[in-house]
Order: sequence, then C-alpha cells, then structure tokens
Amino acid sequence: DIQMTQSPSSLSVSVGDRVTIACRASQSISNYLNWYQQKPGKAPQLLISAASSLQGGVPSRFSGSGSGTDFTLTISSLQPEDFATYYCQQSSTTPHTFGGGTKVEIK
Amino acid sequence: QVQLRESGPGLVKPSLTLSLTCAVSGGSISSGDYYWSWIRQYPGKGLEWIGYIYHNGNTFYKPYLKSRVTISVDTSKNQFSLKLSAVTAADTAVYYCARYRAKPAANFDYWGQGTLVTVSS
Repeated sequence: DIQMTQSPSSLSVSVGDRVTIACRASQSISNYLNWYQQKPGKAPQLLISAASSLQGGVPSRFSGSGSGTDFTLTISSLQPEDFATYYCQQSSTTPHTFGGGTKVEIK
Repeated sequence: QVQLRESGPGLVKPSLTLSLTCAVSGGSISSGDYYWSWIRQYPGKGLEWIGYIYHNGNTFYKPYLKSRVTISVDTSKNQFSLKLSAVTAADTAVYYCARYRAKPAANFDYWGQGTLVTVSS
C-alpha cells in the first residue's frame, strides 16, 4: 500500500494567517492527489483534485501544488469557516489511502 | 445533485456480520464512469477505504479485508451494499458510502452523511 504522511498533525492559527499543510507519498503518485476538508460530525468534502484543481464552489484562497511524492495544501488567508481537519488521499493505485489528517484549530 | 444515504444497524455483536446499504438519488448508479465505494473512519480520525463496485458488478477491495468484505449493487433499486463478516471491536467506526469518479480526475466527489456502527456485545 502507498503510505500517505501529513504534517503537521495539528496547528493553531489565527484568522488571516497563511496555512500550509504538507502531504508526502511513500512512492510516486504523479498528480493523483486529492484534498478533503472535514468538519465535526460531517463527511469529508472534496476541495482539490489532481493535486491542484480547485473544485467548483471552493474559495480561491485554497490552492494545491506538487507532484510525484510531495504535495502542499495552502490557505492564503484563513477564515473562520476554514477551521476543520484536512486530509490528503492518493488515487494512483488501489488500495486508495488517506493521510492521517491535519486539524486546524483556533489559536 | 447526487445524494447518498447510508442505512443499517448501529450496533452489531462481535463475530456477526455488519450490513449496510447506500441509497443513491439524483443520478443513476448505472451511468457514467463511477465506482460506488465504502470508506470508514475510526474514532479519532483515520479514514480507510474498504472497497468499491462498478455497476457491472466488478469489485475492488482493500486486500487485508478481502476475506471478510462483500460489496454488491442493486441497479433496480439504485443502491449498493456492504457486508463485513466476523466483526470485532476493531471494526467500530463511522461508515461512509461515497461515489468515486474515475475520470477525468480520480476522486471521491460525493459522500453520504455517514453512519456509526458499534461492535459490542
């Protein structure tokens, strides 16, 4: 299985801060990398697919980059509604695997 | 707008079989290049893909679960199902059904709201 490692596992930030979350795959996955946002009690919601393609309706302050094994999710200016847990997921091969998540909390 | 909704028992005794169904609305389960998936989330965070099924019945499972998992589809009812046998407390999780869009970008684009299944006597 391809292992997905996210860092950090949590971070405390303020509204307006720039946030960067890293995701590393245990082997090359090209750009088959997706990012999801999950709020408490809710299902994950797709934010970014193919490493950098923003889903419809997702604010432009979210962006994704990377290819191969190293990927980044960036929130340019954190808003109150962005406090959530973020997961990366690879679709290069089955079994599909997820990162352990990064919880973004209010400082 | 595609919607998915899980249903099934919230409590299952150890050694028995967990059975869940996912009803799909807003689109046909038989159309498009989609795989109909089950994903679970353990208490505390981790997400685990269990497997998925294409509308023609082809299935793909996580290898270590393969001996215990069966995913089936009922196109006449526009729904698909999960059976997980010989459950233990380690199978306690929130179970989600989700649509996997294979092309052009491979991702889980629609999810159900999730259902908590607790394995306990």
